[in-house]
Amino acid sequence: DQQVKQNSPSLSVQEGRISILNCDYTNSMFDYFLWYKKYPAEGPTFLISISSIKDKNEDGRFTVFLNKSAKHLSLHIVPSQPGDSAVYFCAASRNSASKIIFGSGTRLSIRP
Amino acid sequence: GAGVSQSPRYKVAKRGQDVALRCDPISGHVSLFWYQQALGQGPEFLTYFQNEAQLDKSGLPSDRFFAERPEGSVSTLKIQRTQQEDSAVYLCASSFDFPTTKNTEAFFGQGTRLTVV
Repeated sequence: DQQVKQNSPSLSVQEGRISILNCDYTNSMFDYFLWYKKYPAEGPTFLISISSIKDKNEDGRFTVFLNKSAKHLSLHIVPSQPGDSAVYFCAASRNSASKIIFGSGTRLSIRP
Repeated sequence: GAGVSQSPRYKVAKRGQDVALRCDPISGHVSLFWYQQALGQGPEFLTYFQNEAQLDKSGLPSDRFFAERPEGSVSTLKIQRTQQEDSAVYLCASSFDFPTTKNTEAFFGQGTRLTVV
């Protein structure tokens, strides 16, 4: 059973517009949520995270929103740039546990 | 180099062969993780080390999988009697502490793509 779900395998957004990537989770014990970005033939790189005590975290063009009651988080990228084209993984962890659980990823394509 | 290094980058093994995958973490990083990523899927947790101690191996799919980090630095993931379902990219990651914030983020290597034929 997937504890972290990314239901959109792909997303295409025009350059300059907002990209919104969504993620749902099932385990209410998760208290940290992370987004990773992956280019082909490279390992994932950390992008941004949020603690369960917050509902928003912003870092430059990237903002993560957390809705605990809906067990839903989203990553907003604005404005979207060509270099943002990559696979984005949503991930979650429990502070007391060792493992980070990843979703299946969303491939974001930024078109000119 | 300053990043996590994995070798080999690509490995083709005949079914039944044993393989060993190496991970050189970033110097000074306490935590080390192994993940398995099947095609079109996200990384799946295999095991976690804190220095030389293997604190969690709950993700290892069978007793054919074995990981070690004897001196708290380099780690090796060994797969015995490989099967076709073991074909995947094996990712190693290290972090200064448990990776939950930007200050303790996990850095991933490029991975080893294992193909079992």
